[in-house]
Amino acid sequence: DVKVTQSSRYLVKRTGEKVFLECVQDMDHENMFWYRQDPGLGLRLIYFSYDVKMKEKGDIPEGYSVSREKKERFSLILESASTNQTSMYLCASSSGWRTYEQYFGPGTRLTVT
Amino acid sequence: KQEVTQIPAALSVPEGENLVLNCSFTDSAIYNLQWFRQDPGKGLTSLLLIQSSQREQTSGRLNASLDKSSGRSTLYIAASQPGDSATYLCAVKPSGSSNTGKLIFGQGTTLQVKP
Repeated sequence: DVKVTQSSRYLVKRTGEKVFLECVQDMDHENMFWYRQDPGLGLRLIYFSYDVKMKEKGDIPEGYSVSREKKERFSLILESASTNQTSMYLCASSSGWRTYEQYFGPGTRLTVT
Repeated sequence: KQEVTQIPAALSVPEGENLVLNCSFTDSAIYNLQWFRQDPGKGLTSLLLIQSSQREQTSGRLNASLDKSSGRSTLYIAASQPGDSATYLCAVKPSGSSNTGKLIFGQGTTLQVKP
C-alpha cells in the first residue's frame, strides 16, 4: 500500500513565525503536491513538484515556498505565517506515468494565532 | 478551462438505499477520472480510478461510470450504510498535459446515511 505521511496532524504557530510542513511518500513517486482546503473553497493547489529540485506554482502560491531535495520528501514552507494561512494542508503524491493515481496524506491542521 | 462540478453539494438518505453521486466536467479531453472519499478532518482516500478508455470500474459496493462524450461520471453506492457517510470528491486529469499528474477537483458531495 502507498503511504503518504505528514509530519504533524495539528500545529499551532504565531503570526510571523517560519513554518515547515513535511511530507514523505514511500512509493518512489515522481510527482508530489501541496494543497490547502478551506470550507466553501474546496481543494486548492499551492505547489507541485514533478522531480527532485523541480517545482511549479499551483493556483495559490503566494506566501508559500517549497523544497524537494530528495525524491521521497516534499516540504512546504510558510516564510512568515499569517492568520489567513490557518487551514487544513494536504500533501499528495502520484506516479509520473500510466495512471497518475493520486494518494493523499492524513493532513495537517494549521492554526496561526 | 476545465471545470468540474458535483451536484448536489449535500445528500441525506436512509440506510439501505442505493444512491448515485454525480460529477460533470466541461472538457471531454480527459486522461482519467478519480473518485475520492474524505472523512471529516482527514485526508482523501482514493476509491476508484477510471481511464478515459474505460466505461466503468467496480470495487465492492461501489461502481463508477464514465461517459466522456457527455462529460459525466457517476458513483453508484449500493445498499448504503452509516459508515458511508463522508464527502465524496471527483477529479479529472486533463489529457494532453504533461506527466505532472495535476488534477482538477470538484467541490464534493457530502453524504449522510441515517440509521
